[in-house]
Amino acid sequence: GESVGLHLPTLSVQEGDNSIINCAYSNSASDYFIWYKQESGKGPQFIIDIRSNMDKRQGQRVTVLLNKTVKHLSLQIAATQPGDSAVYFCAEKENTDKLIFGTGTRLQVFP
Amino acid sequence: NAGVTQTPKFQVLKTGQSMTLQCAQDMNHEYMSWYRQDPGMGLRLIHYSVGAGITDQGEVPNGYNVSRSTTEDFPLRLLSAAPSQTSVYFCASSYNSNNSPLHFGNGTRLTVT
Repeated sequence: GESVGLHLPTLSVQEGDNSIINCAYSNSASDYFIWYKQESGKGPQFIIDIRSNMDKRQGQRVTVLLNKTVKHLSLQIAATQPGDSAVYFCAEKENTDKLIFGTGTRLQVFP
Repeated sequence: NAGVTQTPKFQVLKTGQSMTLQCAQDMNHEYMSWYRQDPGMGLRLIHYSVGAGITDQGEVPNGYNVSRSTTEDFPLRLLSAAPSQTSVYFCASSYNSNNSPLHFGNGTRLTVT
């Protein structure tokens, strides 16, 4: 079946550096993608989304890039802060009612 | 708005017991869903609903029932709990199913012994 996966299970960065979290998806029919942040003991929190008719979208300190040719999604966090430490999930949705999640990447920020 | 509220936060069941996990949202969202989260497996969709009176199966529906009698509530029922259902359960809602981001509750941690 179709799946969403991540290249790196754990990413360690220095405070102030930029972070890049990657995600590979296999369903070429997916048309909507979301990044979530999950802190310990909490539910996933929406960060940013992007539709398949776009290749880049920016938010506050975050940018999502979508490369449909190679079915790759990335989340860039500028000037990473200790509060950014969490598990990050990408999720995809085809033209259905189901949002399918990847397995997650843990981001660790060191002072 | 309280957002998505899940109760209880923690629950321990014995094998074969039944229980209902409650989920309510006050955002007038049409779409609601239940996920379970297990280590190394991310979030897997159990059941979802696109509106009151309508439910459908997700990736891992076996052992769970749902109903959607009102827009606000979407309870998840375990009729006969099994140790394999030990997990963290998240309820989520969105404005509709058409490319609207999901808003999650803070989860129910269930242990089945």
